[in-house]
Amino acid sequence: KQEVTQIPAALSVPEGENLVLNCSFTDSAIYNLQWFRQDPGKGLTSLLLIQSSQREQTSGRLNASLDKSSGRSTLYIAASQPGDSATYLCAVSTSGYSTLTFGKGTMLLVSP
Amino acid sequence: NAGVTQTPKFRILKIGQSMTLQCTQDMNHNYMYWYRQDPGMGLKLIYYSVGAGITDKGEVPNGYNVSRSTTEDFPLRLELAAPSQTSVYFCASSYRDRGQPQHFGDGTRLSIL
Repeated sequence: KQEVTQIPAALSVPEGENLVLNCSFTDSAIYNLQWFRQDPGKGLTSLLLIQSSQREQTSGRLNASLDKSSGRSTLYIAASQPGDSATYLCAVSTSGYSTLTFGKGTMLLVSP
Repeated sequence: NAGVTQTPKFRILKIGQSMTLQCTQDMNHNYMYWYRQDPGMGLKLIYYSVGAGITDKGEVPNGYNVSRSTTEDFPLRLELAAPSQTSVYFCASSYRDRGQPQHFGDGTRLSIL
């Protein structure tokens, strides 16, 4: 059974810092890995999707890497801003029907 | 674009009552999913559907039922509500291509008292 772990569970940083969120998974036979953002009381917004054959994806100040063989992914956020404050969730797909297994998330607070 | 729409946004039920959580998407997605999220936990898959008339169980299906009569709609039914079903329920959808991201609704916050 696939298990996804995210470290740290919570992170508080001052504005402007670069930061890294970690995600690990137990079964390396994945189709893809997604990073989501969840604001309080809201649904999930997809940030980045990395296919199993890819090493990284970038979108603006966000960069996600994938090391499938070691079962790890990182989400790098450059020059953090207060608007980045949210919970970040990592999820992997090990099914041909794109069903996802989620980690518990990292709650990020960026202070002005 | 409306995307994925869930109704109601909030609901309080008494133990033993039944209700249907509605989900509709206007993106012509083939795949649709129901997840539940308990406090401090990640999302867990309840049911999913790969097209009209086709549904399958996820990780935590007990106590729930689904149907998919159209591409757009994927309702989730609770027959006999129990306190353990207090949670936030999210509906999501995606294209058939497994390389496409899932799009989520804003959730239904359900309390069983």
